[in-house]
Amino acid sequence: DQQVKQNSPSLSVQEGRISILNCDYTNSMFDYFLWYKKYPAEGPTFLISISSIKDKNEDGRFTVFLNKSAKHLSLHIVPSQPGDSAVYFCAALRNNAGNMLTFGGGTRLMVKP
Amino acid sequence: DGGITQSPKYLFRKEGQNVTLSCEQNLNHDAMYWYRQDPGQGLRLIYYSQIVNDFQKGDIAEGYSVSREKKESFPLTVTSAQKNPTAFYLCASSIGGQIPPKQFFGPGTRLTVL
Repeated sequence: DQQVKQNSPSLSVQEGRISILNCDYTNSMFDYFLWYKKYPAEGPTFLISISSIKDKNEDGRFTVFLNKSAKHLSLHIVPSQPGDSAVYFCAALRNNAGNMLTFGGGTRLMVKP
Repeated sequence: DGGITQSPKYLFRKEGQNVTLSCEQNLNHDAMYWYRQDPGQGLRLIYYSQIVNDFQKGDIAEGYSVSREKKESFPLTVTSAQKNPTAFYLCASSIGGQIPPKQFFGPGTRLTVL
C-alpha cells in the first residue's frame, strides 16, 4: 500500500515557465513532507520541506504548498531552468516512527531551453 | 570535505553469492539508513540505525543484513536469500533529533547480479 504517491512519472516544461510537481498521501499522521532532487547515478539531495501545520514554505525559486484536507502537496519551481531537470521525490515523515521517510515514486522533470 | 561515501559505484556478483556494500560518513551523524531504488520506483527503506550497535528493519529487510559497530560505518550485506538483488542501493545519514531529519545521501552503488 503506497502511502505517498506521485502520479505523474514525467513532466516537460519550457525554460522560464513554472513547473508544478504533485504528490498525494494517504496517512494523515505524517508530520513533515520533504522534497528531494535526484540526478542520474547520484544520491538524492534535500530541496525543501514543510511541516504539517503549515500550508506554504518558500525558498528562492522553490515553493511547497500543502493542502491537508485533500492530502495533497505540490512543489512549484519558478522560473524553471534547464539545470532543474532531474527526478523529484516527495517524502513524508512521522515524528514517532524513527525518522523514517516514506518516498513517492518520483517525477522526472525536463526543462527545455 | 564532509560527506557520505559508498563503494564501489558498480558491483557485479554471481547469483548465490553474498555481497557487502560499504557506506561511510564523516558528518558525525547519529542515524544511518539503507534504501533500494528500482527503475521507475521510489526509494524503499531496507534498514536503519539510530545509534551504534542498534538497528531496525525497514519495509523490505528480507534477504539483507547490516551492522553498526562504528558511528561512521553502516555496511549492508545482500545475501543469497534476496530474491531480486539487482538494484541501485543508496545509503543516507541524518543528525539525531533534527526536526525534520534532512537525510544526506551517498552517491549510491549499482549492484548487478548475473
